Amino acid sequence: QVHLQESGPGLVKPSETLSLTCTVSGGSIITYYWSWIRQRQPAGKGLEYIGRIYSSGSTIYNPSLKSRLTMSVDTSKNQFSLKLTSVTAADTAVYYCARISLDDGSFDNWGQGTLVTVSS
Amino acid sequence: SYVLTQAPSVSVAPGKTARITCGGDKSGSESVHWYQQKPGQAPLLVIYHDSDRPSGIPERFSGSTSGKTATLTISRVEAGDEADYYCQVWDRGSDDPVFGGGTKLTVL
Repeated sequence: QVHLQESGPGLVKPSETLSLTCTVSGGSIITYYWSWIRQRQPAGKGLEYIGRIYSSGSTIYNPSLKSRLTMSVDTSKNQFSLKLTSVTAADTAVYYCARISLDDGSFDNWGQGTLVTVSS
Repeated sequence: SYVLTQAPSVSVAPGKTARITCGGDKSGSESVHWYQQKPGQAPLLVIYHDSDRPSGIPERFSGSTSGKTATLTISRVEAGDEADYYCQVWDRGSDDPVFGGGTKLTVL
């Protein structure tokens, strides 16, 4: 079973850059699409798709975040990363990394999630 | 843009059957996937490709579709099934995934 683990700062100041990394273990990052999804706080808010990256490095971003978003992948470390610039309080959320099934577009493996708070 | 509509909440007594629906713009050919999210936990895929169950998901969980509506059915509901449930499809127009707003299942 593939295991995903998010890591990164839990507190980011407004206007700064949010950076997160997802480490994949128990399987290869190769030949899959990997995604970031967030859930804004307070708890119980819906799931918001951020974007995805293929193991080759090709990316597809949510148009609403595209201007502030950069994703990258490091296949040697089995990791992929997210950078979101110019953050505001509206970016406060639990951020999840997830694997996208090649067969049907479901998110078949998720990280536990990490809370990122944007505050001065 | 593609919209998936779910009822905000559903309540059911233990041992009964819960039905959670997901309706919207989908053409009827897209696969629907369902996720269970318990408080403080990540979403968990419980149904994929309309009606398939991942390994480890109890047979009490089943999925079906009829026209533009997908239904997640939970038989013999248990207290541990209390959670938020989200449907998801892949919007072929935008080539992006779309999630429903979620349904909170309360076990009475």
